[in-house]
Amino acid sequence: DIQMTQSPSTLSASVGDRVTITCRASQSVDRWLAWYQQKPGKAPKLLIYQASTLEGGVPSRFSGSGYGTEFTLTISSLQPDDSATYHCQQYNSLWTFGQGTRVEIK
Amino acid sequence: QVQLQESGPGLVKPSQTLSLTCTVSGGSISSNSYFWNWIRQHPGKGLEWIGYIDYTGRTYYNPSLWGRATISEDTSENSFSLKVKSVTAADTAVYFCARARDHGSSGYPSCFDNWGQGTLVTVS
Repeated sequence: DIQMTQSPSTLSASVGDRVTITCRASQSVDRWLAWYQQKPGKAPKLLIYQASTLEGGVPSRFSGSGYGTEFTLTISSLQPDDSATYHCQQYNSLWTFGQGTRVEIK
Repeated sequence: QVQLQESGPGLVKPSQTLSLTCTVSGGSISSNSYFWNWIRQHPGKGLEWIGYIDYTGRTYYNPSLWGRATISEDTSENSFSLKVKSVTAADTAVYFCARARDHGSSGYPSCFDNWGQGTLVTVS
């Protein structure tokens, strides 16, 4: 199985800050990576797929980059509504998720 | 806009079979562009893909479940179901159904673009 590791596990930032979350794969997943946002008690919501393609309706402050084994999700200017847990997911070989990164607003 | 809704018992006894159904509205499970999945999330943990069924009825499962999971479809009800047999406390989780897009020419799912709200199943 391909293991996905996210860092950090938790981060706290202020409104307006630039925030970056990293996702590393145990082996190459090419560009077959997605990012999701999950709020407490809710289902995950697709933000980005194919490493850098923004899903329709997702604010442009979200962006993704990377290839192979290292990927990043960036929020260019953190907003109060962005408080959530973010998950990466690879779909190169089976379908596995990272453990999640909780983003808190200071 | 497609919507998915899970239903089923919230409490299952150890060694018994967990059974859940996902009813889909706003789209057909017979569409050849999508795959219909079950995903679970243990309390306070990450997400674990369980398996999928496609429009031909083909199924594929996470090997980590050791053959305990079965997914089936009911096209007349536009729904699909999950059964997990011989459950233990380790199967306690929130269970989500989700639609996945076709991963191009691979014939497999890619990312999950629509999800049900999730249902907590406790094994006790």
